[in-house]
Amino acid sequence: EAAVTQSPRNKVAVTGGKVTLSCNQTNNHNNMYWYRQDTGHGLRLIHYSYGAGSTEKGDIPDGYKASRPSQENFSLILELATPSQTSVYFCASGEGLGGHEQYFGPGTRLTVL
Amino acid sequence: GDSVTQTEGLVTVTEGLPVKLNCTYQTTYLTIAFFWYVQYLNEAPQVLLRSSTDNKRTEHQGFHATLHKSSSSFHLQKSSAQLSDSALYYCALSMPNYNVLYFGSGTKLTVEP
Repeated sequence: EAAVTQSPRNKVAVTGGKVTLSCNQTNNHNNMYWYRQDTGHGLRLIHYSYGAGSTEKGDIPDGYKASRPSQENFSLILELATPSQTSVYFCASGEGLGGHEQYFGPGTRLTVL
Repeated sequence: GDSVTQTEGLVTVTEGLPVKLNCTYQTTYLTIAFFWYVQYLNEAPQVLLRSSTDNKRTEHQGFHATLHKSSSSFHLQKSSAQLSDSALYYCALSMPNYNVLYFGSGTKLTVEP
C-alpha cells in the first residue's frame, strides 16, 4: 500500500542541538513537502522538492534545511534548534503540476527545550 | 499575491443541524483546483473533496462544495452534522504549473450532542 511514513514520531531536543526529521514515501511521487502545523497558523510550507537532488524554499524556510537524496526520502534538518521550532511537522508527497492532491504522513511532534 | 482565507477558526454545531465552513480565495489565475482536507485528532490531513469546475457541486461523505469563481469561494457544507465530523478542516488552492498548495489557516469543527 502506497504510504508516507515519518520518523521519529516524537522527538525532544535541546536548544542549540541538531535535529533531523526523516520522511519516506512509496507513492513514487516526484514531489515531496515539509510543513509545520501550529494552532492559528494552519499548515505552513517549509521546504519542498521536485525530485532527487532538488530542494526549494517554501514560505518559512529560515532555520531549516532540507535534503532529498533519493526519490523516496526527504529529510528536514534543524542545525540549531530553538524553542520556537516546537511544533508538529508533516511530510507529504504529490505528483505532477497543479491540480494534484498531496498525501500526508502521520506527523512528527517536536519539542525543543 | 495568491491566498486562501478561512474566516472561522472555531465552529460549533449541534448534531443533526446543518454546517457551513467558509473558504474564499484570491488569485490571478483562471484555471485553478480546490481541495478540502480533513484532519481527525492525531491523524494526518487527508483529502475530503476536490474541484476545478466552476459552478459544479462536488460531494463526498455527505459533504458538498461548489466552486464559485464569480465570488471566489469554495464553501464546505453538510445538511446534517454528525459527531464523527468533529475535526480540523483546511481549504487549499492549487494553480497550474505549480507544485504547491496554498492552505487556509483551518477551521476546527466541533459537533455537540
